[in-house]
Amino acid sequence: SYELTQSPSVSVSPGQTASIPCSGYNLGDKYVSWYQQKPGQSPVLVIYQDNKRPSGIPERFSASNSGITATLIISVTQALDEADYYCQAWDRSTVVFGGGTKLTVL
Amino acid sequence: QEQVVESGGGLVKPGGSLRLSCVASGFTFGDFYMSWIRQAPGKGLEWISYISGGGDKMIYADSVKGRFTISRDNAKNSLFLQMNSLRADDTAVYYCARCFWGCSGDRCWGWFDPWGQGTRATVSS
Repeated sequence: SYELTQSPSVSVSPGQTASIPCSGYNLGDKYVSWYQQKPGQSPVLVIYQDNKRPSGIPERFSASNSGITATLIISVTQALDEADYYCQAWDRSTVVFGGGTKLTVL
Repeated sequence: QEQVVESGGGLVKPGGSLRLSCVASGFTFGDFYMSWIRQAPGKGLEWISYISGGGDKMIYADSVKGRFTISRDNAKNSLFLQMNSLRADDTAVYYCARCFWGCSGDRCWGWFDPWGQGTRATVSS
């Protein structure tokens, strides 16, 4: 079965850029979405179709997808961006989530 | 405002059953695929099933195939998940989510938005 791999944790200083990778076989051939989940809350879509932002998501959130790696990029990271981030893709009629990355802003 | 609200979770013994419900509002329910996604305590997200807008296509993750059944009632803007033969590892918060799905040639996409607040199912003796 298809797998998406994420680093368990990423740390970033406030105001800096955070990069959260997600890897999978030929991932660049698939569309990737990203979700933010804060403690005790439901996931929120922050990126869909590789690099599109839903309305209401700040421009600080962007993403890319090429080769075997998709990357969520958060520029000018703020304390409120501290959360778990999950990548997600579609593989042969089934849905796959990455294991999640905890972003710490310190 | 587009939203989905789940209900029906609770405590059940191993081997027992639960029926989860999800009511949607703010969008034309029958136009969209819908999905159930769960999250075990302290763990990541796990997709478990989706159903097409007309209810004629249902797909399941291997972990629940043969035990769980997804269904919908478009007249009542409602999505359901019948969970049978429950096991301890089915303990999780279960989320309902609208699914945007499509394909262009061999490349398919699907993302989930919005998500409900979740309903907790605990399987324990």
